[in-house]
Amino acid sequence: SAVISQKPSRDICQRGTSLTIQCQVDSQVTMMFWYRQQPGQSLTLIATANQGSEATYESGFVIDKFPISRPNLTFSTLTVSNMSPEDSSIYLCSVGGGGFGEKLFFGSGTQLSVL
Amino acid sequence: DAKTTQPNSMESNEEEPVHLPCNHSTISGTDYIHWYRQLPSQGPEYVIHGLTSNVNNRMASLAIAEDRKSSTLILHRATLRDAAVYYCILPPLYNFNKFYFGSGTKLNVKP
Repeated sequence: SAVISQKPSRDICQRGTSLTIQCQVDSQVTMMFWYRQQPGQSLTLIATANQGSEATYESGFVIDKFPISRPNLTFSTLTVSNMSPEDSSIYLCSVGGGGFGEKLFFGSGTQLSVL
Repeated sequence: DAKTTQPNSMESNEEEPVHLPCNHSTISGTDYIHWYRQLPSQGPEYVIHGLTSNVNNRMASLAIAEDRKSSTLILHRATLRDAAVYYCILPPLYNFNKFYFGSGTKLNVKP
């Protein structure tokens, strides 16, 4: 299995500011994904973090709002830009591929509240 | 991508078996069926997955209908720790790690 560390675990931010969430994995992984879970809702895929190239965004998500970096096979960041209260959610990093086969492993998430 | 349909919620008594259904009538012949669960305040975790045959592991069993249009996750003896949201997922063939989550089934286990 993969051990995933997400930082921060929670934060309270002001409207109009940006927050960068880090995802660190204890081994090299092929696939990294970012999800959003709005209060009381299921998970929504934001994007696939591609190592060495631009992330691939799902419909409804854009790079200007959610810039993603993935400098290597064990680390990725998601930035939530120009935040509004509607961005209050849990943001989760997940990893898979390679030796993990079809399984996905998830971090425990970042609880974001925007005032 | 194939869609899944699950009941919004189910209730079970502790130490009794639980059968969690999932309908996936548009499944293709190569779609794997995955089950994940999300315990309170945690990220989802893998439960089980299969293609055609029934599957067992230490957590659960997966029963797949002969026509593959439905499946059932079986928890043989529910415990309070099994209270979670259970998701049935069919990843796309072009990227079997890319999961699109439905609404899942919230399982409540009564002592």
